[in-house]
Amino acid sequence: GQNIDQPTEMTATEGAIVQINCTYQTSGFNGLFWYQQHAGEAPTFLSYNVLDGLEEKGRFSSFLSRSKGYSYLLLKELQMKDSASYLCAVKGGSQGNLIFGKGTKLSVKP
Amino acid sequence: GAGVSQTPSNKVTEKGKYVELRCDPISGHTALYWYRQSLGQGPEFLIYFQGTGAADDSGLPNDRFFAVRPEGSVSTLKIQRTERGDSAVYLCASSSWGVRNTEAFFGQGTRLTVV
Repeated sequence: GQNIDQPTEMTATEGAIVQINCTYQTSGFNGLFWYQQHAGEAPTFLSYNVLDGLEEKGRFSSFLSRSKGYSYLLLKELQMKDSASYLCAVKGGSQGNLIFGKGTKLSVKP
Repeated sequence: GAGVSQTPSNKVTEKGKYVELRCDPISGHTALYWYRQSLGQGPEFLIYFQGTGAADDSGLPNDRFFAVRPEGSVSTLKIQRTERGDSAVYLCASSSWGVRNTEAFFGQGTRLTVV
């Protein structure tokens, strides 16, 4: 079976750093994606990891450990506009299907 | 096209009716995904096409749901005998060929309301 777990909600303060964790168990692995979704909008791509380690892109970084089935998304210098849901998704199997977790709703407070 | 286009953006239908939701992917994208998203939840996988064929349809909840992509471009999700529980936002995404580093681009979704 396939299972992707992430916390339901998180709260952080403007200017701070927040880490959103994701654990997964999937049949096959061809990479892990993070998406951002603002309320009422479509998900938009943030990052991709297929090898172990940290990928940095501006204020956002994403980490992957394949042996542990674990990833995290790190958001630095939080801004109010970062309030959104963050979705962890795994591309698994031989056909490259894309399965999403339930998302983590992040609220950034002043 | 410039992005993934889904029509209609909103659809209200009566319980028991048939509906079709359309997805026009980014030109040249061979992979196409359909998801269903309820309020406060992540996208729930329905079906994945690679070209014209359904590579994985294991997410379709029952035989009332069916999807086609006859020419490997536009896809239609068809729901028969709609039920109130089918109310959700239906999202379509597409990506270029390749199993690995190919991000999926989403359309704005069709909000389906069954009354």
